[in-house]
Amino acid sequence: DTGVSQNPRHKITKRGQNVTFRCDPISEHNRLYWYRQTLGQGPEFLTYFQNEAQLEKSRLLSDRFSAERPKGSFSTLEIQRTEQGDSAMYLCASRLRESSYEQYFGPGTRLTVT
Amino acid sequence: GQNIDQPTEMTATEGAIVQINCTYQTSGFNGLFWYQQHAGEAPTFLSYNVLDGLEEKGRFSSFLSRSKGYSYLLLKELQMKDSASYLCAVRDSNYQLIWGAGTKLIIKP
Repeated sequence: DTGVSQNPRHKITKRGQNVTFRCDPISEHNRLYWYRQTLGQGPEFLTYFQNEAQLEKSRLLSDRFSAERPKGSFSTLEIQRTEQGDSAMYLCASRLRESSYEQYFGPGTRLTVT
Repeated sequence: GQNIDQPTEMTATEGAIVQINCTYQTSGFNGLFWYQQHAGEAPTFLSYNVLDGLEEKGRFSSFLSRSKGYSYLLLKELQMKDSASYLCAVRDSNYQLIWGAGTKLIIKP
């Protein structure tokens, strides 16, 4: 399968714990995006990378959230000291900058904070 | 502020035609997208409009009027599998996607 993959697909954690999600984009795609989506809402932009550089981070993103893309391939999103309000679907998408405008989404990681 | 408006929910009958509207106010405009999202799944790309007019792709068509800040997605010959949420998104002056909350489309037999 050559699509965008995300792991884990589901994560249940207790409030205050740290969690880390992984995204593997389509191999030749140099742009990678993280979104958060809650029920009945559209995706909310969190951050994006061009290769290994993090070019933009949403002002809505607290300092408990951090993302990396160390080698310009896979990316990780870490949430520290999780809160119940962090419960959501975390979506990763990738795009090849030079060609299409379309973002290809992964299946998402559903986070439940209890 | 930036705003994308679309109806929360629509109902249509199998075999019929439905039009889902989207209006937007964004800081700049670099294209409008429609995505389909089935419950519990990731969004999948349907269409892209950057110039005024109608883009047709099989049973789905998308229309854009930049002067009116308006788009619609037209679905013909509706099938039960078309039951999903339809998300309108605009790429702003920073080339970031601003998303609407989505329109849940319910298809009845």
